[in-house]
Amino acid sequence: QSALTQPASVSGSPGQSITISCTGTSSDVGGYNYVSWYQQHPGKAPKLIIYVVNKRPSGVSNRFSGSKSGTTASLTISGLQAEDEADYYCSSYTSSSTWVFGGGTKVTVL
Amino acid sequence: EVQLVESGGDLVQPGGSLRLSCAASGFTFNNYDMHWVRQATGKGLEWVSTIGTAGDTYYPGSVKGRFTISRENAKNSLYLQMNSLRAGDTAVYYCARAPLGESYYDYWGQGTLVTVSS
Repeated sequence: QSALTQPASVSGSPGQSITISCTGTSSDVGGYNYVSWYQQHPGKAPKLIIYVVNKRPSGVSNRFSGSKSGTTASLTISGLQAEDEADYYCSSYTSSSTWVFGGGTKVTVL
Repeated sequence: EVQLVESGGDLVQPGGSLRLSCAASGFTFNNYDMHWVRQATGKGLEWVSTIGTAGDTYYPGSVKGRFTISRENAKNSLYLQMNSLRAGDTAVYYCARAPLGESYYDYWGQGTLVTVSS
């Protein structure tokens, strides 16, 4: 199972919106609504920020939103803040009864 | 408060074995699927194994036949037995909780470091 494809880095200025893509296949992202997103700050454990494509856990800012079209899922961060600078990973369930992550995207706030 | 605390990480020689543990608290352990996820230094996340509430297990090809996930509900504990370790297994290993039947990890431990080197 190959990793999902994410851009290595995305940057934006404070207050701007950025979007991170996560491209898979019909056997994972395209075949299920089991796409989730995680935020990871340096030296910390990942934190769930989006599940089932577009749902936010309690306590997660509504500046984070998720969507999916075909075999590509997307995470949008609106009103970018300094604290959003982190690594972001997507994940999906697959038709092989396995799970797969994206390679990760480093978000830089300029 | 949900807590997941990993232990057992160590320096081990190639070909060696190691057993990781994850102590869970703050929730009804046997109602959740549990996963192991690893991260090599400076690299991305990699799913390692899953055990369902019924004891069903799942592995990627990279560890199948070498790693065994298990759980002991009476002790609220998750385990990962790792055999035939390779340099490529060097990573921080996280245990993570997934709601029953769901495919996302809503709580993670802080991780334990496994280093495979001679």
